[in-house]
Amino acid sequence: AQKITQTQPGMFVQEKEAVTLDCTYDTSDPSYGLFWYKQPSSGEMIFLIYQGSYDQQNATEGRYSLNFQKARKSANLVISASQLGDSAMYFCAMREVITGGGNKLTFGTGTQLKVEL
Amino acid sequence: EPEVTQTPSHQVTQMGQEVILRCVPISNHLYFYWYRQILGQKVEFLVSFYNNEISEKSEIFDDQFSVERPDGSNFTLKIRSTKLEDSAMYFCASSEVGGSGANVLTFGAGSRLTVL
Repeated sequence: AQKITQTQPGMFVQEKEAVTLDCTYDTSDPSYGLFWYKQPSSGEMIFLIYQGSYDQQNATEGRYSLNFQKARKSANLVISASQLGDSAMYFCAMREVITGGGNKLTFGTGTQLKVEL
Repeated sequence: EPEVTQTPSHQVTQMGQEVILRCVPISNHLYFYWYRQILGQKVEFLVSFYNNEISEKSEIFDDQFSVERPDGSNFTLKIRSTKLEDSAMYFCASSEVGGSGANVLTFGAGSRLTVL
């Protein structure tokens, strides 16, 4: 069974600083994918970034980058130059391919990020 | 940008009543999902749907739950007889492909269900 662990229930960061949100995972499947989603207070789930288990390079999307350390089974999200609008809940998730079709995401418990002036 | 649309955004119902939550997935997507998030907790998988049938369901998705794609555009989640513990945010999601790779699930804004 797949497992995602986010050990930081809450984080604070100063505006314009960088912040790292931790995520560790456990799976016996050699092929897997890791996602980060952002959930602002309005409730929607917004896709941020994806990392495949066989990807040679760490994923980057604008101010978001993923520090993927396969041997440590960690996939930490780094947000550079934090903005007030980054204040939200952040979820790490792992993809499992469904035999009958589709992907199932297993989510972590999330990290509530607060960006301060 | 294409989006997944969910209605209603909030529904309040009495325990024992039937509820239907509606979703319009992105038009070229082939895989459809329902997830739920009880207040303050993590997002949990309920069911996946492909080629007009359920491809996988979780232990949460018992006989009280059903899904349907009645007309080729809508994707619905029905709860036959709601219980207090069904109170949650229900997210619909869809994806274009379903294998390995960067198959991003696009989520809707959610339907908040409150059972009294």
